[in-house]
Amino acid sequence: GNSVTQMEGPVTLSEEAFLTINCTYTATGYPSLFWYVQYPGEGLQLLLKATKADDKGSNKGFEATYRKETTSFHLEKGSVQVSDSAVYFCALSDRSNDYKLSFGAGTTVTVRA
Amino acid sequence: EAQVTQNPRYLITVTGKKLTVTCSQNMNHEYMSWYRQDPGLGLRQIYYSMNVEVTDKGDVPEGYKVSRKEKRNFPLILESPSPNQTSLYFCASRDLRRGEKLFFGSGTQLSVL
Repeated sequence: GNSVTQMEGPVTLSEEAFLTINCTYTATGYPSLFWYVQYPGEGLQLLLKATKADDKGSNKGFEATYRKETTSFHLEKGSVQVSDSAVYFCALSDRSNDYKLSFGAGTTVTVRA
Repeated sequence: EAQVTQNPRYLITVTGKKLTVTCSQNMNHEYMSWYRQDPGLGLRQIYYSMNVEVTDKGDVPEGYKVSRKEKRNFPLILESPSPNQTSLYFCASRDLRRGEKLFFGSGTQLSVL
């Protein structure tokens, strides 16, 4: 079956530091890959996505590249801000399974001023 | 404003007392789903619905019921709650014709004593 593994947190950074959160996946077909973000007290919202190999998703300074050869979709941001403090979830969606989303366990990121 | 609305936001109950968590979306989405979020486990799907009167089990359906009598509403029913159902619950919806992005509600924190 499909599964997503992402690096465990929590991650604590200073403002302007570089952030990377590792995500690898296992899928039987050709999934789409996503990063969702959950700010404190809120529901999840889509941060970025990539639908095929070598696609790069980007939004709000975050980037992730769909790497089929390493089955990875690592999230990166060059200079984080306090407002980036949140829980980040890697996820995949498989067309062969009614586009069901499979989520990673989530990584809590705290950015300190 | 396009949104998914869940109620209540917080709920404390006792073992065995039936409860319903409501979910409503105003985007005319066909697809709706319930997830529970537990530390270290990420989001796990409970039930989903591809359209009115069509519901299917997700990964952790035991102890839950759902119904989809109208397109906009997808209530989650716990007939006899138990302490292991203490969790943070999210409802989500998606437009099946316009991609895989899920729209999430703000969550319901349920405590079963």
